[in-house]
Amino acid sequence: QSALSQPASVSGSPGQSITISCTGTRSDVGVSKYVSWYQQHPGKVPKLMIYDVTNRPSGVSNRFSGSKSGNTASLTISGLQAEDEADYYCSSSTSTIQVVFGGGTKVTVL
Amino acid sequence: QVQLVQSGAEVKKPGASVKVSCEASGYGFTGYYIHWVRQAPGQGLEWMGWMNPMNGATNYAQKFQGRVTMTRDTPITTAYMDLNRLRSDDTAVYFCARGGDIAAAGQGYWGQGTLVTVSS
Repeated sequence: QSALSQPASVSGSPGQSITISCTGTRSDVGVSKYVSWYQQHPGKVPKLMIYDVTNRPSGVSNRFSGSKSGNTASLTISGLQAEDEADYYCSSSTSTIQVVFGGGTKVTVL
Repeated sequence: QVQLVQSGAEVKKPGASVKVSCEASGYGFTGYYIHWVRQAPGQGLEWMGWMNPMNGATNYAQKFQGRVTMTRDTPITTAYMDLNRLRSDDTAVYFCARGGDIAAAGQGYWGQGTLVTVSS
């Protein structure tokens, strides 16, 4: 199972919106209801930001939103803030009930 | 509150085995899958497999098949990940994470991570 494809880096100015893509295949993202997004600050534990493609856990800002079209899922961060600077990983369940992560995207707030 | 507390850092020689524990509290241990994920220094997250604490069923990533074993001790609400025939490229932080009540769901709670260093 190959890793999902994410851009290595995305940047934006405070207040702007950015979108991170996560491209898989018909065997994972394309057929999955279980796409998740995680935020990880340096030296910290990953934090679940989006689950089941579009849902936000309690306590996660509504500036974070998720979507999916075909084999590509996306995470959008609106109203970008300095604290959003971190690494972001997508994950998806697969047709064999396994999990695959994306390679990660470094978000920089300019 | 949900907590996953992992065992401490380990230093192992190539060819040895390591067993990392993950003690769960604050929820019904047998109701949620436990996943193991690792992260090599400066690298991304890599899924290793899941274990169903209800019945001990497991599903391992192909890369780790034959080298990893995930088990649990239900009375003490602890999950274990055993990795053998260690190589230098197994040096990583190993995380346990609680999934949902189905295997495919995302991982909402994570342990603090256990650094395993493989070096001669």
